Amino acid sequence: EAGVTQFPSHSVIEKGQTVTLRCDPISGHDNLYWYRRVMGKEIKFLLHFVKESKQDESGMPNNRFLAERTGGTYSTLKVQPAELEDSGVYFCASSQVPRMNTEAFFGQGTRLTVV
Amino acid sequence: AQSVAQPEDQVNVAEGNPLTVKCTYSVSGNPYLFWYVQYPNRGLQFLLKYITGDNLVKGSYGFEAEFNKSQTSFHLKKPSALVSDSALYFCAVRDNTGGFKTIFGAGTRLFVKA
Repeated sequence: EAGVTQFPSHSVIEKGQTVTLRCDPISGHDNLYWYRRVMGKEIKFLLHFVKESKQDESGMPNNRFLAERTGGTYSTLKVQPAELEDSGVYFCASSQVPRMNTEAFFGQGTRLTVV
Repeated sequence: AQSVAQPEDQVNVAEGNPLTVKCTYSVSGNPYLFWYVQYPNRGLQFLLKYITGDNLVKGSYGFEAEFNKSQTSFHLKKPSALVSDSALYFCAVRDNTGGFKTIFGAGTRLFVKA
């Protein structure tokens, strides 16, 4: 069974440009999460999809970030325009059911560098 | 506010020695605690979790963690470290104020020297 897949694995863009990150969850997983780790700090929650609906987007930092999950399969996270402080590693995770006692499965992350 | 603290940025241990990676948490109600590991160029991998029951939880790769409610700690341990255990370790707790997001610590880098 394929795991959570993210691409690109690395992206270097200039300040002001647009970048789109993609996440393919494990097949059959309705729940999809985006997280971000900035500069060696803690991994922070961004948002949670249940199928194509945004269940919780309380962690989205500002309106330069737009997440979509059309059709309830893969998800994209677009940053437009990118700023220097957006640099970090963006993780995607998925789970079959949203229960407090179940772990999510994570992808390898996308390392974004804004210069 | 719910939070997780990993007080050590880095832990160094010699191969064959026991290792401990520390974690303390702050949550309201019952905690659901997790440890994840990130090997170089890999994603986060689930190691183990505490939900309820026995305070000593066993997980993957010979790791275990001890839940201590009075000290609000969930330290990760292994009796005999391997060089291949060198990685970044994250402690996490489920946010039980609503939703299903996970709150992570800042991570601890473990170096195991041969």
